[in-house]
Amino acid sequence: GAGVSQSPRYKVAKRGQDVALRCDPISGHVSLFWYQQALGQGPEFLTYFQNEAQLDKSGLPSDRFFAERPEGSVSTLKIQRTQQEDSAVYLCASSRSGVTLEVPLIDTQYFGPGTRLTVL
Amino acid sequence: DQQVKQNSPSLSVQEGRISILNCDYTNSMFDYFLWYKKYPAEGPTFLISISSIKDKNEDGRFTVFLNKSAKHLSLHIVPSQPGDSAVYFCAASANSGAGSYQLTFGKGTKLSVIP
Repeated sequence: GAGVSQSPRYKVAKRGQDVALRCDPISGHVSLFWYQQALGQGPEFLTYFQNEAQLDKSGLPSDRFFAERPEGSVSTLKIQRTQQEDSAVYLCASSRSGVTLEVPLIDTQYFGPGTRLTVL
Repeated sequence: DQQVKQNSPSLSVQEGRISILNCDYTNSMFDYFLWYKKYPAEGPTFLISISSIKDKNEDGRFTVFLNKSAKHLSLHIVPSQPGDSAVYFCAASANSGAGSYQLTFGKGTKLSVIP
């Protein structure tokens, strides 16, 4: 597609339920990022994939959060045993190139519309 | 501790005038700065960026200024148009050591351009 898409757009979960959020990046984009945006805050980094490899997961808030990108395209963010503090908009972004420590490359990140998760 | 700070939650400007949005940062490792624009129910959209080796970057009506010694950057929009009304996020990037170039965002400034 033309841009990054995310599904579902809205998700309501009862506390303790597991949820799975999907991201379809721009076709051919190597890098994929997940961010969490709480109400009134800016997006906060969760994790980064370069193709299928998860190179940075330093932002995941707990071991209840798990992300995967098995074939290097679509990614899923899974939250187990959801808590009320997990309520937020989850944003996915992709960029054309990957990065290496030897040749750092800044590439524009294109964001999807986000999934608004509400945990009751 | 906020590493990127946007101290003005909102700003109102008359159409045709200049809008100036400010951003301060604390992490001296940041070497790339970006501004994103966000409409309701949409994801952030890239607007303009600047590398730490420059002090100014211009793109049409949008100019970003960087003052490294003060750890301060600003976005100027001239002339402001009603369609510019949105939330503007300042973001910064540094080589995280894991090669991810994650972005660190401020809380955003809501700009309202009054016709």
